[in-house]
Amino acid sequence: SQTIHQWPATLVQPVGSPLSLECTVEGTSNPNLYWYRQAAGRGLQLLFYSVGIGQISSEVPQNLSASRPQDRQFILSSKKLLLSDSGFYLCAWHRGGGYTFGSGTRLTVV
Amino acid sequence: QQPVQSPQAVILREGEDAVINCSSSKALYSVHWYRQKHGEAPVFLMILLKGGEQKGHEKISASFNEKKQQSSLYLTASQLSYSGTYFCGTAKGYSNYQLIWGAGTKLIIKP
Repeated sequence: SQTIHQWPATLVQPVGSPLSLECTVEGTSNPNLYWYRQAAGRGLQLLFYSVGIGQISSEVPQNLSASRPQDRQFILSSKKLLLSDSGFYLCAWHRGGGYTFGSGTRLTVV
Repeated sequence: QQPVQSPQAVILREGEDAVINCSSSKALYSVHWYRQKHGEAPVFLMILLKGGEQKGHEKISASFNEKKQQSSLYLTASQLSYSGTYFCGTAKGYSNYQLIWGAGTKLIIKP
């Protein structure tokens, strides 16, 4: 069966520090992968999606970037975090049908 | 354009029914429904792919009215475990799996 792993679960980072969040999917190949951010009490904001290795589409211009170095690996990065980057970051995949989300990373920028 | 969910929030007693609506000003190609419990990731409930389609999942079902550009989620005889925020997501196109998400409907079930 397919599983999605996302880590870390929580992260507290100072303003201006770098960020790297990793997401891996098991049990499937060539999935569509997504990074979402959710502010407290709000809906889901799509940040990036990828349909294949090295193929990244950005939905919202900001100081975040994403990479897909392997078929089942999706990485979200930042060189310098801002206070406004705080939120709940979710990785998701699908291959037709519904989306499956990772357990999320709660990022607090202080 | 973001689909509109209504109501924004609803409080029920255990055993009562609820309806959550998701409507769009643009054509709906497919509609996804998810439930998110506090502090957790959203969980997929069901997807409706064509107009007139209805689906059920235990006591949770949904309909898709393509003409009205609307989908409704029905929760019957609600249980405490149904509490959470419900999101609908609408696809951008027939073969476009990117979703545009509603703002969510918070459902609180009281014993």
